[in-house]
This record gives sequence, structure tokens and C-alpha cells, in this order.
Amino acid sequence: SQTIHQWPATLVQPVGSPLSLECTVEGTSNPNLYWYRQAAGRGLQLLFYSVGIGQISSEVPQNLSASRPQDRQFILSSKKLLLSDSGFYLCAWSRLAGWDNEQFFGPGTRLTVL
Amino acid sequence: AQSVTQLDSHVSVSEGTPVLLRCNYSSSYSPSLFWYVQHPNKGLQLLLKYTSAATLVKGINGFEAEFKKSETSFHLTKPSAHMSDAAEYFCVVRATFNAGGTSYGKLTFGQGTILTVHP
Repeated sequence: SQTIHQWPATLVQPVGSPLSLECTVEGTSNPNLYWYRQAAGRGLQLLFYSVGIGQISSEVPQNLSASRPQDRQFILSSKKLLLSDSGFYLCAWSRLAGWDNEQFFGPGTRLTVL
Repeated sequence: AQSVTQLDSHVSVSEGTPVLLRCNYSSSYSPSLFWYVQHPNKGLQLLLKYTSAATLVKGINGFEAEFKKSETSFHLTKPSAHMSDAAEYFCVVRATFNAGGTSYGKLTFGQGTILTVHP
């Protein structure tokens, strides 16, 4: 069976510090990978998606970046965090082929920037 | 373009009474629609999905939703609320895009409805 992991589960960082959130998927190959952010009182917003190693697309301009160094690894980064980067970050995966590809979500990382 | 509107930010019910969480969508083509639930400090769990098959969709934990194209709605219901149903619920519409010769799905989430269940 497939599983998706995210870490850390919670993180408190000062403004201006760097960020690295990691997401890994097990039990599948060539997944589509996604990063979402849920800001307080708001729904989820798609930040990045990836259809393969080294292939990253950004949905919204922002202070964050994403990388996919391995097939089942997706990393969300920032060089300098802003207060507005606080939120709940969710990684998701879906099967590569087929349009009816349900997305499966990880447990999330709650980031607080102070 | 597509969008989702959840009409209530908070819904409060008593245990054993019916639940209705309202969702309206906007999509330029036949959408795929989902309801997800998020319990405190946990990830998202899929409750049910509509993908152009039966308009009445049954999900987990006794929830169901009816796709009504004429009303562009996909309301979530449950006949009898349980304390464990207290959570935040998201209505989601999906569009499919092609990139690099493969397809992927972009989910657009509603703002969420927090369901409170009183004893």
C-alpha cells in the first residue's frame, strides 16, 4: 500500500530564517506531487506541483520554492521566511497516468513564523 | 476557471440530528467534486467523490452528497450526527491539466465549514 510522510509535524521559526519541509511517498512510482498551504481561516491553496524529477511548476508567486531531487521526494523551501508564510502545509500525491487521479494527502506540517 | 463556495463557515448541530453542509461550485465543464474532512491537527481524509457517475454519492461514516447540475450544488448530508463528526469539512472541485504529456489534477478548495456537534 502507498503511504505519504511529511516532517516535521510542527515547526516554529523566526522571520528571516530558512525553511525546508520534506515529503516522501512510499509504495508507488512516478507519482504526481503537490504542495498546498492552508492559511488560518482559509481553504487550501495549491503552491507547486511536479510531474517528474526536477520538474516543478508554481501556481502562485511567493516567497517559497520547491524541488524534487528524487522520484518520491518533494521538498518545500525558503531562504528567508516571512510572517505570511505561517500556515498548515500539506503534501499530496496522485497517480501519474489517467485523468481520474485522486489525490492523497500527507499529515501536514504546521509552520508558525514569529 | 473554477471555484467553490461553502455557504457556511460554521455549522452547529446536536448529536443525533441531521447534518447539512452546503457547497456551490462554478466550473466551465463537467466537474469532479469531492468532500474532504480534516480533524484537528490531522491531514485531510477523503469522504466521497463525484466523477460523473451516479449523482447521489455515498461516502464513509454515513455521509452522502448529491450532485445537482441545475443548481451547481454538491451539498453534504448525514442523517444523524455523531460526536466524532466534529471537524472541518472542505468541498473541492478538480480540473485536469496536461503537462509534459501526462495529466495531473488541480484541486480548488472551498473555505471550509467547521462542524460542531453538541451532546
